[in-house]
Amino acid sequence: QVQLQESGPGLVKPSETLSLTCTISGGSINSYFWGWIRQPAGKGLEWIGRISSIGSTNYNPSLRSRVTMSLDTSKNQFSLNLRSVTVADTAVYYCARDLKRLPNYWYFDLWGRGTLITVSS
Amino acid sequence: DIQMTQSPSSLSASVGDRVTITCRTSQNISIYLNWYQQRPGKAPKFLIYASSSLESGVPSRFSGGGSGTDFTLTISSLQVEDFATYYCQQSYTTPLTFGGGTMLEIK
Repeated sequence: QVQLQESGPGLVKPSETLSLTCTISGGSINSYFWGWIRQPAGKGLEWIGRISSIGSTNYNPSLRSRVTMSLDTSKNQFSLNLRSVTVADTAVYYCARDLKRLPNYWYFDLWGRGTLITVSS
Repeated sequence: DIQMTQSPSSLSASVGDRVTITCRTSQNISIYLNWYQQRPGKAPKFLIYASSSLESGVPSRFSGGGSGTDFTLTISSLQVEDFATYYCQQSYTTPLTFGGGTMLEIK
């Protein structure tokens, strides 16, 4: 079955760039949309953005100035870069498949296990 | 952004109980409403889309309903594995937004 796995540094210093990768196994990155969601400890879920398999993106306006998403179809991976991080960016970061079911229903049907990113000097 | 308000924020119940969680949106989203379950330390698990359509493999004791701005998630007979936090999420427009969560605890 299709599985997603996040990978990242664990610890990032303030003002630096957070880089995360999501590797898809058991299925193809093609023909789907993919997303990033984060969750600070003890808090709710925040949508970061979405990328299609052809590279079109849609970001949360609250993060748009700092976010870039990309994908590498040859490696079946997609990535998140978040620039100029602060302690407020400390959270568990999830990658997920953003599935569209006709006519226009979208939902996150598959999730990675999540990776904790701590921003600290 | 569309604001999502869940109530209650926490709920104590017993195995076998019927419980209902409510999600209210700040504007009309038709039926573009999803529900997820999250157990402690785990990723969210998708349950329901389009307000009332159950994902394959989700037990039939889960049901969703509502349209416009008011939605519900009902669990007809609680099982031990249902004690978790539940989130609603609107897919009507971006930015996609989630409710604050409802923690379902064992009484």
